[in-house]
Amino acid sequence: QKEVEQNSGPLSVPEGAIASLNCTYSDRGSQSFFWYRQYSGKSPELIMFIYSNGDKEDGRFTAQLNKASQYVSLLIRDSQPSDSATYLCAVNSNDYKLSFGAGTTVTVRA
Amino acid sequence: DADVTQTPRNRITKTGKRIMLECSQTKGHDRMYWYRQDPGLGLRLIYYSFDVKDINKGEISDGYSVSRQAQAKFSLSLESAIPNQTALYFCATSDFGQNTDTQYFGPGTRLTVL
Repeated sequence: QKEVEQNSGPLSVPEGAIASLNCTYSDRGSQSFFWYRQYSGKSPELIMFIYSNGDKEDGRFTAQLNKASQYVSLLIRDSQPSDSATYLCAVNSNDYKLSFGAGTTVTVRA
Repeated sequence: DADVTQTPRNRITKTGKRIMLECSQTKGHDRMYWYRQDPGLGLRLIYYSFDVKDINKGEISDGYSVSRQAQAKFSLSLESAIPNQTALYFCATSDFGQNTDTQYFGPGTRLTVL
């Protein structure tokens, strides 16, 4: 079983809609959770991180964490064509190493 | 100027050649990492270093070696390159001193082994 699983995608949403990305993880001791955005051929860039159960909002992005269910999600509201990218979920345990999911590719249709 | 730089950005080499990828950072971070990325497999950790005297293997270290020459420099070597090492390679840094484990990535090196 992979440590971090993401919905495989690709995910296609119309401009202005909400894109919902899901991620599950296997290590119950995981402490922190990250969402990175990666444009094709570019390096991953951090969108946001979350440490505590519940929701965390940053602009059009909302991360949701449920440690009991070992689940973290990312919502992108009012999706824009510039949001078209691959989104990587990353999970960290106590040893400060990140485990990455394979990524979900999002395409926002104008 | 970029905080994390990688050289070269692109490299084509032949099977059996030795190759070195270099990473430098001006962020002042203690921790540095090397990842490779293959389509559909996400990022996989090759080696990581928490300070100059600390080197650790990641999940896919076979066929690779590293050197931490200074706090700011972390090099990845392929002693004898093989075609299945063709991938996109990323260096990353993080700062334990900030009590966070957020990692920041360099621009990547696209390596092709023929």
